[in-house]
Amino acid sequence: QKEVEQNSGPLSVPEGAIASLNCTYSDRGSQSFFWYRQYSGKSPELIMFIYSNGDKEDGRFTAQLNKASQYVSLLIRDSQPSDSATYLCAVIGGDYKLSFGAGTTVTVRA
Amino acid sequence: DAGVTQSPTHLIKTRGQHVTLRCSPISGHKSVSWYQQVLGQGPQFIFQYYEKEERGRGNFPDRFSARQFPNYSSELNVNALLLGDSALYLCASSGLSGNTIYFGEGSWLTVV
Repeated sequence: QKEVEQNSGPLSVPEGAIASLNCTYSDRGSQSFFWYRQYSGKSPELIMFIYSNGDKEDGRFTAQLNKASQYVSLLIRDSQPSDSATYLCAVIGGDYKLSFGAGTTVTVRA
Repeated sequence: DAGVTQSPTHLIKTRGQHVTLRCSPISGHKSVSWYQQVLGQGPQFIFQYYEKEERGRGNFPDRFSARQFPNYSSELNVNALLLGDSALYLCASSGLSGNTIYFGEGSWLTVV
C-alpha cells in the first residue's frame, strides 16, 4: 500500500466551478498535511498546510482534514484557467520526511 | 527575502560521472531536504539535514550522499550516474515549526 494516495486524474472542470481533490494516507502518526501546486516544468509551490481536524480556508482554497478517516482534501472554488496544474498531496510523519502522492492533474476549461 | 536557491538549473552528464547539486535555504531556515522527482511521479525523499546533522535518509543507494554546511547551505552528490538518475532534483527549506516547507526551482539532471 502506498503511503499517500490521490484520486487519479486528470480532473477537468469548467471555469468558475469547484474542483475537489482527495488524498488518503496510511501512517496514523502523520502530523502535518500539505497541498502543493506544480505547473508543468516547474517546482512544487506550497498552497496550504493543515494539521488540525476540520477545515482551513485561504482565499479560494479550502483544505479539509479528517484524521480518523486518514483523509485530506482540497477544494478550489471559482476555478480559473490559471489553476490548471498538478496538485500534490504531501504528509509528514514522525520521521520528518515529506511523503508525496503521485499528484492529480487539473484542467480548467474556459 | 530570497527563496530557496538551487544550482545548476540544468545539466547533462554521462553515465558513470559524478554530479554535485547545491542549495541555499531561505534565510533563517536551518533544515534542508532533498527530493528526486521523475516524470509523472511525486517527489521522493532522499535526505534531510538539520543543524548540519543528517536527520533522515530515504530509500536511495549509497551513491547518493549529502552534507550541510555551517551557513546551512547544502549539497547533494551522486556518484556513478545511471540513466535512471535523470530527474528533477528538488531542495526544500523549512523553519523551526516544519509547517512551512518551500521548494527551490530545482536542478534538472539528464544522464546520457
